Order: sequence, then C-alpha cells, then structure tokens
Amino acid sequence: DADVTQTPRNRITKTGKRIMLECSQTKGHDRMYWYRQDPGLGLRLIYYSFDVKDINKGEISDGYSVSRQAQAKFSLSLESAIPNQTALYFCATRPADGGSTEAFFGQGTRLTVV
Amino acid sequence: AQSVTQLGSHVSVSEGALVLLRCNYSSSVPPYLFWYVQYPNQGLQLLLKYTTGATLVKGINGFEAEFKKSETSFHLTKPSAHMSDAAEYFCAVSSNSGNTPLVFGKGTRLSVIA
Repeated sequence: DADVTQTPRNRITKTGKRIMLECSQTKGHDRMYWYRQDPGLGLRLIYYSFDVKDINKGEISDGYSVSRQAQAKFSLSLESAIPNQTALYFCATRPADGGSTEAFFGQGTRLTVV
Repeated sequence: AQSVTQLGSHVSVSEGALVLLRCNYSSSVPPYLFWYVQYPNQGLQLLLKYTTGATLVKGINGFEAEFKKSETSFHLTKPSAHMSDAAEYFCAVSSNSGNTPLVFGKGTRLSVIA
C-alpha cells in the first residue's frame, strides 16, 4: 500500500457543488500539505498543517478549506466548485525533523469542474 | 520569502546527450534544495537533495546536482540522456529550520529524441 493515499484519483463535478478530497498517510509524519498543479505554473501551496491543531493558509487558499481530522488524515474541500479549480491536486507529508527530509507525495487527484 | 526559478519550461535533448536543467533560488536563510521528477500520470518522486555537506549531490537514475551558493543555483545534470528520462522536473527550496513548506519552481518538461 502507498504511504500517502489520495481519494478519489479522478473526479468530475459540476460548478457550484461541494467536493472533498481526502488524504491519509501511514508515514507517521506530523506535517501535511495540499498543493495544486496547473500546466506551466508548477505546484502551488493551498494549505498546510504542522499538527492536528495547527492549520495554515498557503499562497492560493481562497475557495478552499481543510480539516485535519487526525495526524494521519488531512482533507481538502471546495465549498462551491468553479471551473478554474480544475487541476491536479497533491497531498504531501513531511516529518518535523528540521527540514532536511523531503516531502512525500500521493499519486494525485485529477479534478475537473464542468 | 523563498522562491525558485527554473529556466526553460521545455528542454529537448537527443538520446545520449547531456541533460542540463537549470534552477536558481532565492532565500534569506541557508536553503535546503530538492529536485523531484514526475512521470506521466504519476506523483512526484525525489531525485536528489542538498541539505548540508558536499555540494555535489548524486541522485537516482544517474542524475546529479551541484549547490553553488555564490550563484544561488542548483542545476540538475545527467551525462547521457535515456528515453526513459522524459518527464517533468521540479526544483524546490525550503528553509533549514524545517518550518517552511517546500516552494516549487514552475517545472521543466524534458523531451528525449531518439
């Protein structure tokens, strides 16, 4: 089984619908992240969490919300999806070891908003 | 604030030729630097990283990168390209405190021509 699991892997939804993307990890890391990938724009940070009680906005948090249900689970919600939120979404984890350890990524969720 | 600039959104090389992907960073504190690779329809996989110590870092699949503080660069190289190297490559930076998320460049797509 993958260390960082994202569900669903693919989703098509309609404009205005609420959708939740889920991420779970078995690496025991405290820090979890949600990134969005768009062609030509690289990965941009949406939200991150250093522990269950610590949630921080990234550079593009508008239109998104998150919930850290447990150390192992970090979900991303789109309250009212819009077409420009069509993108590839990645969850990542990282240990709290001073930054020398890399981030570990899930396989991604491809979201299409029509 | 930290940032990464990857020069060239698309690089094309012949099979067997040198691969050079450029990355320049901006950081007010000593950085940790990472190169990731993304194969089609997959997540991100770590190629190599620089944290401390030797400035020439070797990674998987024959890739290496050199940290040059004076040039604020961390260019990725491979002496001889293989068809299987065709992918998207991302450079990323974080602070050496571990309290900042990874900041990614916009990516460079590598094509390898037979």
